[in-house]
Amino acid sequence: AQSVTQLGSHVSVSEGALVLLRCNYSSSVPPYLFWYVQYPNQGLQLLLKYTSAATLVKGINGFEAEFKKSETSFHLTKPSAHMSDAAEYFCAVSDAASNTGKLIFGQGTTLQVKP
Amino acid sequence: ETGVTQTPRHLVMGMTNKKSLKCEQHLGHNAMYWYKQSAKKPLELMFVYNFKEQTENNSVPSRFSPECPNSSHLFLHLHTLQPEDSALYLCASSFSGGVQETQYFGPGTRLLVL
Repeated sequence: AQSVTQLGSHVSVSEGALVLLRCNYSSSVPPYLFWYVQYPNQGLQLLLKYTSAATLVKGINGFEAEFKKSETSFHLTKPSAHMSDAAEYFCAVSDAASNTGKLIFGQGTTLQVKP
Repeated sequence: ETGVTQTPRHLVMGMTNKKSLKCEQHLGHNAMYWYKQSAKKPLELMFVYNFKEQTENNSVPSRFSPECPNSSHLFLHLHTLQPEDSALYLCASSFSGGVQETQYFGPGTRLLVL
């Protein structure tokens, strides 16, 4: 069965600092991986996704993630944090076995950006 | 209206009430989803509909009853809920339910069961 683990439920960075949010997955088949962001009182918005093309995926708002098969990781990074990046971030893997578009989400990481 | 809309945004109900959540997508998609987001738990998929047919029921209790009359509308009928059902209920849609597809989420309905 596929699963996702996000290391660190809370991450705090200073404005302008590097953002690193960690995601490890477990999958018996080549995975499709997603990062979503949720701002307060809103639904989830796609940041980026990996679908077996380039291993370095660029997303919106300056975020990117690198798929590392050997480490079963898909960590999200941004070189310089902005106050507006404060939100909750979710890593998800598509359940290829179900073939219904089912997403399996991690627990989420709350990003705090300090001025 | 654009994207995925959900009504109501907030709902308070007693355990004996019956209420319904509504979701509408304006993206021309054919797959729709209900998720439950509880505090300190990962998002849980509840139901998937593809071309109006239910393709996934993630062992959801029968007090939650989904309805998908067409590809643009999805309802979640609620009856005799429990306090532990209090959560944010999110609706999403995608083009056809494929494993690579992006799901577009609505803002959610915040449900409180008293």
